[in-house]
Amino acid sequence: NAGVTQTPKFQVLKTGQSMTLQCAQDMNHEYMSWYRQDPGMGLRLIHYSVGAGITDQGEVPNGYNVSRSTTEDFPLRLLSAAPSQTSVYFCASSYGGEIGDTEAFFGQGTRLTVV
Amino acid sequence: AQKVTQAQTEISVVEKEDVTLDCVYETRDTTYYLFWYKQPPSGELVFLIRRNSFDEQNEISGRYSWNFQKSTSSFNFTITASQVVDSAVYFCALSHLNTGTASKLTFGTGTRLQVTL
Repeated sequence: NAGVTQTPKFQVLKTGQSMTLQCAQDMNHEYMSWYRQDPGMGLRLIHYSVGAGITDQGEVPNGYNVSRSTTEDFPLRLLSAAPSQTSVYFCASSYGGEIGDTEAFFGQGTRLTVV
Repeated sequence: AQKVTQAQTEISVVEKEDVTLDCVYETRDTTYYLFWYKQPPSGELVFLIRRNSFDEQNEISGRYSWNFQKSTSSFNFTITASQVVDSAVYFCALSHLNTGTASKLTFGTGTRLQVTL
């Protein structure tokens, strides 16, 4: 199994450009989420989804949009990139269903630089 | 609000030393889950352990052990006889109280462990 696949792995954007970070999982997981990792700040939750058609905001949602049209995919959209969005982005998925599902499976990360 | 504190920003040890990484958490939930993840220099996140709030037994897995103390809201991680391959950033994380908790985590800021020969 591929697990959680993120594309692209690296991206450079100019301020004001838009783009979509792709995330796909092949484990039939209900739950998916996006985090950003910044130096000295750990990982912070941007958005998450508990199933197709259901999304909610995390700790740092401003500047990002998400949608969940299928169980497998959970894209993250940057509408107008800003230098403050320079970060490493991780997508994660987990089984869900009962409290305490085992673990979140993380993608390899996308390193985004906004100039 | 939930919070995870990893006060040790960076730790350096010599190979074969034991090292303990501290994790202190805050939550108002009575049921919650705690996790440790490892992030090696290659950047991926590797799951190490999950512990629920009802199970305070310590756990040992090879050279790794975890000490969960609800009374002090701590979930510390000890590596015995450290090796160079243990060099990584280690994150402690806390789950929110609802289904799908493993995907909705509050992370600490991480502890960078450097193991030298």
